[in-house]
Amino acid sequence: DAGVIQSPRHEVTEMGQEVTLRCKPISGHNSLFWYRQTMMRGLELLIYFNNNVPIDDSGMPEDRFSAKMPNASFSTLKIQPSEPRDSAVYFCASSFLDRGYGYTFGSGTRLTVV
Amino acid sequence: RKEVEQDPGPFNVPEGATVAFNCTYSNSASQSFFWYRQDCRKEPKLLMSVYSSGNEDGRFTAQLNRASQYISLLIRDSKLSDSATYLCVVSPSGTYKYIFGTGTRLKVLA
Repeated sequence: DAGVIQSPRHEVTEMGQEVTLRCKPISGHNSLFWYRQTMMRGLELLIYFNNNVPIDDSGMPEDRFSAKMPNASFSTLKIQPSEPRDSAVYFCASSFLDRGYGYTFGSGTRLTVV
Repeated sequence: RKEVEQDPGPFNVPEGATVAFNCTYSNSASQSFFWYRQDCRKEPKLLMSVYSSGNEDGRFTAQLNRASQYISLLIRDSKLSDSATYLCVVSPSGTYKYIFGTGTRLKVLA
């Protein structure tokens, strides 16, 4: 199993640009989670999907952030327009809910907005 | 009050020592508990689940105290390779959200 695959690994962009982060969950997992990690705030849940449907997006900071999951094997997190305070590591995780096995995280995307 | 609180450390311990971390949570209805480990500039990885009766995995022991709303992680015979940040995770009842603590940093010294 290839695990959770995220791309790109690193992204440097200028303020105001659109940024799209991508995630491929583990095959067979039915839930997908987007987290953001900063030194100040730790890991924060942004949004999660169950069976491709967004269940809870209360952690999405503002309208500049949007996430989609068009099918069971792909999700995107988009920031438009990006701001320097969006600089963080963005993790995607997947899980098979109802089994209590915990999440498996991808390697993350380190985003720097200058 | 934060939903999940941990002492950030760092805990600096010699090889072979026993070290324990605690984590408190605010939602008494929380149902699932985990410890994750995160190495520098890497993703968090599941270390172990925490069960009501307590559980052990090799040198690692996890305990849950529902009355006082805390979980603990005990590491015996510390190895250099145990150096990492340990994240406490709580999942409130009725949701599949995992709430992460900010982590406790452990350094095992030679």
